[in-house]
Amino acid sequence: DAKTTQPNSMESNEEEPVHLPCNHSTISGTDYIHWYRQLPSQGPEYVIHGLTSNVNNRMASLAIAEDRKSSTLILHRATLRDAAVYYCILRAMDSNYQLIWGAGTKLIIKP
Amino acid sequence: NAGVTQTPKFRVLKTGQSMTLLCAQDMNHEYMYWYRQDPGMGLRLIHYSVGEGTTAKGEVPDGYNVSRLKKQNFLLGLESAAPSQTSVYFCASSPFLQNNYGYTFGSGTRLTVV
Repeated sequence: DAKTTQPNSMESNEEEPVHLPCNHSTISGTDYIHWYRQLPSQGPEYVIHGLTSNVNNRMASLAIAEDRKSSTLILHRATLRDAAVYYCILRAMDSNYQLIWGAGTKLIIKP
Repeated sequence: NAGVTQTPKFRVLKTGQSMTLLCAQDMNHEYMYWYRQDPGMGLRLIHYSVGEGTTAKGEVPDGYNVSRLKKQNFLLGLESAAPSQTSVYFCASSPFLQNNYGYTFGSGTRLTVV
């Protein structure tokens, strides 16, 4: 079973920041937090991952709570092309590092 | 750099027919995976491979077989297709099993079994 909880959907306005939350209260010390997104009719795309510290890359930022029981994916300036389903996944040693996917958050961007 | 390429992109099968889905990656990745995705759901792991000549079962392996004869290719076979296998199939690869690498996915194969 997926070890993360995400809202089913979120809406945001174009060119505004988006904060996508994820709860993972049963996370263990060695579990990495991964984010992927899936655009309509495409394969998933890796976005970002982290362990304890906040992470930034060209696509997004990942803010991890101090207790690691939650995290937030931040899209700094959403565009229509960011409309997708966003998956928060724990990559855990006890699942042999496999990605266990939940249903994700469908992000709707309003022009 | 093509990344992960899946063929075919679409296929319609009759119940009981067999077929093979091909996944090819040109990134020299050690690990390869086959997933299926049903409408409105996340991906589920069918089989995976940790290297040439080795395969392992994932979450939903029944009705499928796989082979990894060459490092760059990972084949998924359906011996006797059933309507329950109607789904979108995704192949992925990653350099190593550990956590510091993301997966690269193909664009998917949409399979309908009638």
